[in-house]
Amino acid sequence: EAGVVQSPRYKIIEKKQPVAFWCNPISGHNTLYWYLQNLGQGPELLIRYENEEAVDDSQLPKDRFSAERLKGVDSTLKIQPAELGDSAVYLCASSSRDTNTEAFFGQGTRLTVV
Amino acid sequence: AQKVTQAQTEISVVEKEDVTLDCVYETRDTTYYLFWYKQPPSGELVFLIRRNSFDEQNEISGRYSWNFQKSTSSFNFTITASQVVDSAVYFCALSEVNSGYALNFGKGTSLLVTP
Repeated sequence: EAGVVQSPRYKIIEKKQPVAFWCNPISGHNTLYWYLQNLGQGPELLIRYENEEAVDDSQLPKDRFSAERLKGVDSTLKIQPAELGDSAVYLCASSSRDTNTEAFFGQGTRLTVV
Repeated sequence: AQKVTQAQTEISVVEKEDVTLDCVYETRDTTYYLFWYKQPPSGELVFLIRRNSFDEQNEISGRYSWNFQKSTSSFNFTITASQVVDSAVYFCALSEVNSGYALNFGKGTSLLVTP
């Protein structure tokens, strides 16, 4: 069974440019998470989806970040415009309807803003 | 406020030594879950274990063991006879009913096992 797939693995952009990350969760997993991981820190939740609905986006900086999960499967996280401080690893994770199960993570997208 | 505290930032041991990674958590929920994840240099977070708040039984899986003590709000992780392949960053995490079971991670402990 395929795991959580993220692309791209690496992205380098200039500040003020837009960038988008894509995530394909494990088949059948209705819950999808986007996490931000700064260097030397633990992942921090940005947004959580139950199917296509964003049920917790309280930590998402909505002035420049946006996310969507059309049809309740794949998801895209966008930053526009990117700032130097956005350089980090963006992790996607998914879990099944039973929210007591563990979340499975993708390999992440390492973003560098120059 | 940090809900999960991993006081050890970095640990270095020699192969075959035992090592314990500490984790202290804070919650007001009676129903919650505790996790350990491993993050090797490749970057992917690998699930190791999940424990619910009603099950304080310790668990052993090969060289790994976990000690859950609600009285001290701790969920410590021990690696017996460490190996070089155990070198990674280890994260303890808490999920609570009130946050929809989203994972709240500690800052991680970087473990280096040398030959």
